[in-house]
Amino acid sequence: SQQGEEDPQALSIQEGENATMNCSYKTSINNLQWYRQNSGRGLVHLILIRSNEREKHSGRLRVTLDTSKKSSSLLITASRAADTASYFCATDSGGYNKLIFGAGTRLAVHP
Amino acid sequence: GAVVSQHPSWVICKSGTSVKIECRSLDFQATTMFWYRQFPKQSLMLMATSNEGSKATYEQGVEKDKFLINHASLTLSTLTVTSAHPEDSSFYICSADERSTVYVNTEAFFGQGTRLTVV
Repeated sequence: SQQGEEDPQALSIQEGENATMNCSYKTSINNLQWYRQNSGRGLVHLILIRSNEREKHSGRLRVTLDTSKKSSSLLITASRAADTASYFCATDSGGYNKLIFGAGTRLAVHP
Repeated sequence: GAVVSQHPSWVICKSGTSVKIECRSLDFQATTMFWYRQFPKQSLMLMATSNEGSKATYEQGVEKDKFLINHASLTLSTLTVTSAHPEDSSFYICSADERSTVYVNTEAFFGQGTRLTVV
């Protein structure tokens, strides 16, 4: 299978809570990217973390990468209803952004 | 950031007809573009790599005669779904890479996607 795995498949939380999504992949990578997709829409790039980086922050987002375990996590702090979306990790192994996507996590943030 | 435009954003076609989807890089040249397919409530699956001036490279299980890819210029790749059937109904999305050979680790730039419905 192309895809890596993400867990949980679905996550339902209240506004203000933190949301953590995990991603595992199969091959060595150049980088790992996280994307958001609102229902029926295109992709929004969130964060790119290089294989030699362990943690990266962007606003309320925190991404970690453990290449020894071939896994990454995305933490959204102080979630908002507007964060409701599907979140995908994607790995770039061969360069030139030929991406392999994880299965995705559907996040629902309730007001 | 770089802009990738995909057209049309949605299309409905009759079974047996062909549909062409365009993917354009508006402000950069893209030697390589990628086509993905996404079924409802599923992830994106890489279909093929579109290479300017040469044949596309298809992923395992993707029918090259059904999904024709043409990358005739450095700013345009097209995906034609031939003899479409209801099971081809899906969300198709392209991405383009602007990086030069010396750079790695830049984000991919995606088009807005095309929702194809075959009736």
